[in-house]
Amino acid sequence: GENVEQHPSTLSVQEGDSAVIKCTYSDSASNYFPWYKQELGKRPQLIIDIRSNVGEKKDQRIAVTLNKTAKHFSLHITETQPEDSAVYFCAASKPPSNTGKLIFGQGTTLQVKP
Amino acid sequence: DGGITQSPKYLFRKEGQNVTLSCEQNLNHDAMYWYRQDPGQGLRLIYYSQIVNDFQKGDIAEGYSVSREKKESFPLTVTSAQKNPTAFYLCASSRGGGPNQPQHFGDGTRLSIL
Repeated sequence: GENVEQHPSTLSVQEGDSAVIKCTYSDSASNYFPWYKQELGKRPQLIIDIRSNVGEKKDQRIAVTLNKTAKHFSLHITETQPEDSAVYFCAASKPPSNTGKLIFGQGTTLQVKP
Repeated sequence: DGGITQSPKYLFRKEGQNVTLSCEQNLNHDAMYWYRQDPGQGLRLIYYSQIVNDFQKGDIAEGYSVSREKKESFPLTVTSAQKNPTAFYLCASSRGGGPNQPQHFGDGTRLSIL
């Protein structure tokens, strides 16, 4: 079945630096890859997603890239700010795609130091 | 998302007791999901429902039960058969059970054992 590996588990950067989180998936039939941000004690919130027919997507300081051949996708946050500190989860759709099921990575705790 | 309401926020279970977690949405979404979140393990799917009066087991359904009698409601019962129920439980919904539909989460219920 589908498996999603996420790295690193923790990431500490200085304010203003960039942060990159990487995920790999196992099932080549996965076609939807969302990223969620979860602040302490709060609900996960969708911050960006990408579909398999696109290689890159940007939204202000956040970008996601997808390499279907290598079966990995990455979240890039530029000009990090203290409010970016949170746990970030990647996910991949679990085939068959018509169920809407997602498989989540283990999460990355991002700390942005002022 | 204010459209998904989970209650209670905190819940305590006694030995041998069944407890029910509530999830209500007013987003007119067809699909609803229950996840369990443990430290360092990301989100794991318990049950999901793509339409009223229908639901399917996820990856960790043992010891849990659900019902979907109304489109807006998807309650989760943690039965006495679930030997390790302490976790953070998240409910989510999406527009349809089809592919590429973003999932939106509630605020969660934290369940502990007395």
